[in-house]
Amino acid sequence: LAKTTQPISMDSYEGQEVNITCSHNNIATNDYITWYQQFPSQGPRFIIQGYKTKVTNEVASLFIPADRKSSTLSLPRVSLSDTAVYYCLVVGYGGSQGNLIFGKGTKLSVKP
Amino acid sequence: GAVVSQHPSRVICKSGTSVKIECRSLDFQATTMFWYRQFPKQSLMLMATSNEGSKATYEQGVEKDKFLINHASLTLSTLTVTSAHPEDSSFYICSVTAGAQGGQTQYFGPGTRLLVL
Repeated sequence: LAKTTQPISMDSYEGQEVNITCSHNNIATNDYITWYQQFPSQGPRFIIQGYKTKVTNEVASLFIPADRKSSTLSLPRVSLSDTAVYYCLVVGYGGSQGNLIFGKGTKLSVKP
Repeated sequence: GAVVSQHPSRVICKSGTSVKIECRSLDFQATTMFWYRQFPKQSLMLMATSNEGSKATYEQGVEKDKFLINHASLTLSTLTVTSAHPEDSSFYICSVTAGAQGGQTQYFGPGTRLLVL
C-alpha cells in the first residue's frame, strides 16, 4: 500500500489559489490518486480523482507528474468555507478496494 | 456518486450498554462497506470491512467481539458497539465503494458521534 505524506497545515487568504502537494513514492501501476475534504464532525467528501497528468472539475484541479510519485490539489480562489482538512489517498483499482489508509491530512485555514 | 446515510447522527449512552449504528447506501447496492473511527483531531482509522452475506474483516487491533458488524443486505450495514466504555467515545463513519470506471472511490456517510458516559 502506498503511503502518503502531506503538509500538516497550510494558511491562505480568501481569493488566493491554494496548492496542496502529496507525495506517494510507492504508488503502484494500478493505483489512483483521490482527494477528500473533511469538515469538523462530518464524513469526508470526495473532491477529485486522477491517474496521470491533469484532471479538472468544478471545484478543483489535480496535477500528477509523469512519475506519479506526487500529486498537487489546486483550489482556485479559496473562500472561508474551504477551511477544512484535506486528505490524499492512493487507492488500488478493482480488487484492491479495501484498506484505505488515511494519512494525517492537511489542515487548510483560510483567513479573510 | 453514491449517497450514504447514517443513523443516529449522535448518541449518548451509559457505560456497559450496547449501541447500534446503521449505515445505508441510498442509491447504490454495496456489497462492501467500510467502517472507520476518528478520535478528536486525528485522522480516520479503518476498523473493518463489511461484506454482504459474509463475515466482516477486521483490522489489526480491532476486537471483533466488541464491534459487531452485520451486512444483511446490499444497502444496510450495522455496527454494534457492545458493552461500550468511555474510551469508545468517538466519531464513527461508514463508506461504500463505487466506480465502474477508473479507481474505486469511497463515498462516506455523515458520521455518528458516540459519547459513552
